[in-house]
Amino acid sequence: DGGITQSPKYLFRKEGQNVTLSCEQNLNHDAMYWYRQDPGQGLRLIYYSQIVNDFQKGDIAEGYSVSREKKESFPLTVTSAQKNPTAFYLCASSIGGQVNTEAFFGQGTRLTVV
Amino acid sequence: AQSVTQPDIHITVSEGASLELRCNYSYGATPYLFWYVQSPGQGLQLLLKYFSGDTLVQGIKGFEAEFKRSQSSFNLRKPSVHWSDAAEYFCSWGGGTASKLTFGTGTRLQVTL
Repeated sequence: DGGITQSPKYLFRKEGQNVTLSCEQNLNHDAMYWYRQDPGQGLRLIYYSQIVNDFQKGDIAEGYSVSREKKESFPLTVTSAQKNPTAFYLCASSIGGQVNTEAFFGQGTRLTVV
Repeated sequence: AQSVTQPDIHITVSEGASLELRCNYSYGATPYLFWYVQSPGQGLQLLLKYFSGDTLVQGIKGFEAEFKRSQSSFNLRKPSVHWSDAAEYFCSWGGGTASKLTFGTGTRLQVTL
């Protein structure tokens, strides 16, 4: 079945460590997105990529990094520079980078700093 | 700033009652509008979308939404709520030269039996 797979579902990080969240899609979508979700704040865009080997910062990119070496993969690294990384992270993809296309979401990764 | 607003943070309805979730947008032209639903600990699923044409759009799970330009609104409705509709609902929009969707802060729906 086609879809988006995020792993792991739960992730614990010690302060000062970098961690990488995985996002893979087999929908042959060009565009991929990372959102952060905190209670009462909706979804905030971290990074997005409209094509392989290209990506742009979203609204809250500080403390995060991404790569897009393959069409199907868009990993997110939460660096030690991110001061408050505990949150629910959602990856999404769409056919193109146009806003009139539906976004398909993964099941999310819950990151907790311990 | 161009955005969407969901005025209601939390709504409780009885099973079988009607439902209306509010969404207002701020944009000069006609935006692309979406409603998504999120079950606890899960990703988002598209309920319906509006691009142009008929202002009343039908979606999955018995939901519908009406685009009202005069009120800058795109409210989500369901005639009779089921307990399984308890979830968080997000309105989102895109438009102009934007290459990303912007989401509202969400409305959490609780259904009482």
